[in-house]
Amino acid sequence: SAVISQKPSRDICQRGTSLTIQCQVDSQVTMMFWYRQQPGQSLTLIATANQGSEATYESGFVIDKFPISRPNLTFSTLTVSNLSPEDSSIYLCSVARSGEQFFGPGTRLTVL
Amino acid sequence: QQQVKQSPQSLIVQKGGISIINCAYENTAFDYFPWYQQFPGKGPALLIAIRPDVSEKKEGRFTISFNKSAKQFSLHIMDSQPGDSATYFCAASMNSGGYQKVTFGTGTKLQVIP
Repeated sequence: SAVISQKPSRDICQRGTSLTIQCQVDSQVTMMFWYRQQPGQSLTLIATANQGSEATYESGFVIDKFPISRPNLTFSTLTVSNLSPEDSSIYLCSVARSGEQFFGPGTRLTVL
Repeated sequence: QQQVKQSPQSLIVQKGGISIINCAYENTAFDYFPWYQQFPGKGPALLIAIRPDVSEKKEGRFTISFNKSAKQFSLHIMDSQPGDSATYFCAASMNSGGYQKVTFGTGTKLQVIP
């Protein structure tokens, strides 16, 4: 398995501001993933982050809105920029290990 | 495009009963089918998974049935307990650019009543 922590666990932000979410894994992993889970909805992959390279974004998600950093093999950040109420969601960090995907506890973002 | 369809959206089961959640997929390139359990305020946790060369996998009270020709799979929870009350997601994954890309179903909110 994998132990994944995220900070913050929740936040309330004003429209137009940005929130940076941190993800820490207990050991080195090649790939880290960021998902969005809108209220009562399924999980949608935002992007895949490899250490030392640009993140790969899924259709409908762009780097200007969701910049990602991956400075080392145990850490990543996701920034949600220029927030609007539609960005209110749970954001989840995930890692792949031994063919399985493991998820962090999520960050619940509310945009007013 | 929803590649993994899941039903029902919600389910209420009496304690001790059987909970059944169904999923269907479209893309035959999927080669791994996990189920995740999510409690409120928590991230999804892997519950059980199956590969398409197997028709059934059982772990404790949880069983996956897999029908490759119909492109359908289901989760059965035997002797359902109130502690099983959670949202369940089926998923399907395939190799994409060197990693397993996971597509999730829409989720089923299960409530087990005493």
